[in-house]
Amino acid sequence: DAGVIQSPRHEVTEMGQEVTLRCKPISGHNSLFWYRQTMMRGLELLIYFNNNVPIDDSGMPEDRFSAKMPNASFSTLKIQPSEPRDSAVYFCASSFGVLGELFFGEGSRLTVL
Amino acid sequence: GEDVEQSLFLSVREGDSSVINCTYTDSSSTYLYWYKQEPGAGLQLLTYIFSNMDMKQDQRLTVLLNKKDKHLSLRIADTQTGDSAIYFCAESSPSGAGSYQLTFGKGTKLSVIP
Repeated sequence: DAGVIQSPRHEVTEMGQEVTLRCKPISGHNSLFWYRQTMMRGLELLIYFNNNVPIDDSGMPEDRFSAKMPNASFSTLKIQPSEPRDSAVYFCASSFGVLGELFFGEGSRLTVL
Repeated sequence: GEDVEQSLFLSVREGDSSVINCTYTDSSSTYLYWYKQEPGAGLQLLTYIFSNMDMKQDQRLTVLLNKKDKHLSLRIADTQTGDSAIYFCAESSPSGAGSYQLTFGKGTKLSVIP
C-alpha cells in the first residue's frame, strides 16, 4: 500500500492567494483527519471526517479554511485568502477500526509570504 | 477539554536509556500512544498501550502507564543516534459515530549525542 498521499509537498504563495491541499487516504480507511503543525502550537486537529462526513470542524481556525471529502479516496483543505500566519506543515491522516491508529502522510509545507 | 503535556526537549548519550514523560487529563482515554516523527516526515505509530494495562514492552521500548496519576512514559533502552526524533504522546477517546479522536502533546525532541 502506498500509504497516505499528500500534495503538494511544498507550496510557497503570496498573501491573499488561494491554497488547495490534497489528500488520498489509505484504501479502506473510514476516517480522515487534517492536522496543522507549527513550532508554537504543536499539532492541532483542524477537522476530521468519518465515512466522508465531517464530524468535528471545531479546530478550523476561521471561515477562510474549508475542507471537503467528496468520496472515500480524496479530500481537500482549502485556504482562501491565505495569510502569513497560515504558514505551517499540514498533515493528512487516515484510520480504520477501534484501535484508532492514525497513518500520516508526509505533510504539505505551506509558506505564505 | 482534553490536554496532553510533555517536556519539549531531552538530550541523552548514545547507549544510555531515554525516558520521555507525558501527562494527560482525560480519564476516559481508551488507548494511549507514542508516535515518532523524523525530520521532514509525518508521524508514525511507535507503540500503544490499552488503558487497563500498566506496562508494555516491545524490544527496546517500555511503556509505563500510571492511570491514577494519568502519567505515561516511554523508555528507550540503549538509545541510538537513529532514535533522534520528536516523540509525541497521544490519548484517544470515543468521538461518536464509531470513531476515535486523538489528542496529541506538543512533542519531545530527543537528541542523541554520539
